[in-house]
Amino acid sequence: GQNIDQPTEMTATEGAIVQINCTYQTSGFNGLFWYQQHAGEAPTFLSYNVLDGLEEKGRFSSFLSRSKGYSYLLLKELQMKDSASYLCAVKDSNYQLIWGAGTKLIIKP
Amino acid sequence: GAVVSQHPSRVICKSGTSVKIECRSLDFQATTMFWYRQFPKKSLMLMATSNEGSKATYEQGVEKDKFLINHASLTLSTLTVTSAHPEDSSFYICSASGLADSYNEQFFGPGTRLTVL
Repeated sequence: GQNIDQPTEMTATEGAIVQINCTYQTSGFNGLFWYQQHAGEAPTFLSYNVLDGLEEKGRFSSFLSRSKGYSYLLLKELQMKDSASYLCAVKDSNYQLIWGAGTKLIIKP
Repeated sequence: GAVVSQHPSRVICKSGTSVKIECRSLDFQATTMFWYRQFPKKSLMLMATSNEGSKATYEQGVEKDKFLINHASLTLSTLTVTSAHPEDSSFYICSASGLADSYNEQFFGPGTRLTVL
């Protein structure tokens, strides 16, 4: 079966750095997405990785290792507004998005 | 960036009634639209994928007669929950992609919270 694993919940301090990991086992791979979802709202796109390596976009970076079936989202200089759920999703061989359950990130002052 | 709207944002209805949710791509033509539902603290569950002008492809376990999807134009898709029951209460989210490119991201609407009494 297909599976996306990410921690259920993480806590970090305002101004700090946090890394949210995602491991996947899917039938094929056609890219990995990270989305941010605030409570009661729809997800918003953060990043996309299809090749190995690090993609940096402002305070957020995303890393991919296809051989390890592994990705992480790195958030720097954390702000209170970063409190949200972070969803990892992988496009499989049929180009269908397989979603993780999301990681709830709690930022404390 | 691409904008997707959903209407209504929140609806409360009586058991047995039908509810229609609209999803519109405001500034691009959406060749494919997706309908998800999400339970509290759970991940997105894909219900169906629809391409403009053709029948929707439903995921396993999703009743096509219960959840009617119409994708009549490149900017509009509708989801109708027929004969709604309390167990249909959920957060329904649509997303749209505009290109045939398989790497294209999905742009999400703001979601519709359905409560069936």
